[in-house]
Amino acid sequence: QSALTQPASVSGSPGQSITISCTGTSSDVGGYNYVSWYQQHPGKAPKLMIYDVSNRPSGVSNRFSGSKSGNTASLTISGLQAEDEADYYCSSYTSSSTQVVFGGGTKLTVL
Amino acid sequence: EVQLVESGGGLVQPGRSLRLSCAASGFTFDDYAMHWVRQAPGKGLEWVSGISWNSGSIGYADSVKGRFTISRDNAKNSLYLQMNSLRAEDTALYYCAKVLAGDLSSAFDIWGQGTMVTVSS
Repeated sequence: QSALTQPASVSGSPGQSITISCTGTSSDVGGYNYVSWYQQHPGKAPKLMIYDVSNRPSGVSNRFSGSKSGNTASLTISGLQAEDEADYYCSSYTSSSTQVVFGGGTKLTVL
Repeated sequence: EVQLVESGGGLVQPGRSLRLSCAASGFTFDDYAMHWVRQAPGKGLEWVSGISWNSGSIGYADSVKGRFTISRDNAKNSLYLQMNSLRAEDTALYYCAKVLAGDLSSAFDIWGQGTMVTVSS
């Protein structure tokens, strides 16, 4: 199965907003509202930030938001803070027998 | 506290086998599907396998299909991954993950700290 496509890196200054895209196909991102986003700091386990395209788990800042259009999902982080610097991964449920597919990950640098 | 603790990793020669375990606590284990996700050193996340609450639905990544077997014991609140015919490319940190809402399609809300598997001669 092919991984979802994310930009390798994005950057922004404190206080700015950034958006990370995640492109799949009609068999995964475009076919289901089961897109999720994970934040991973170095040496740490991933943390769920967004589920079902645009829902935030309890405790996640409302600076994080998700959306989807066609086969592309997006994660937007507004009011960038230094602690947002991390790797971000999207994932989607897929109709294939493999069930789940991840994006390749995006490294966010806060300048 | 909801917790997942993986064990069973280590150094193993190519072609050999290893069995990973994941001990769950703090939630009703048999209400939730569970997954294994791995991360090779310096690389991204790769989904490995998932199992429904009652083991009735199981899936594998193409890269491990036919070599790895996922299972669970709800009486013991445990998830397992039997890994056979290991290859160098299976070297990774293996995480178990709980889904947010019962079924396989749900996001992963709880992750363990991972257990490292190194395949090398």
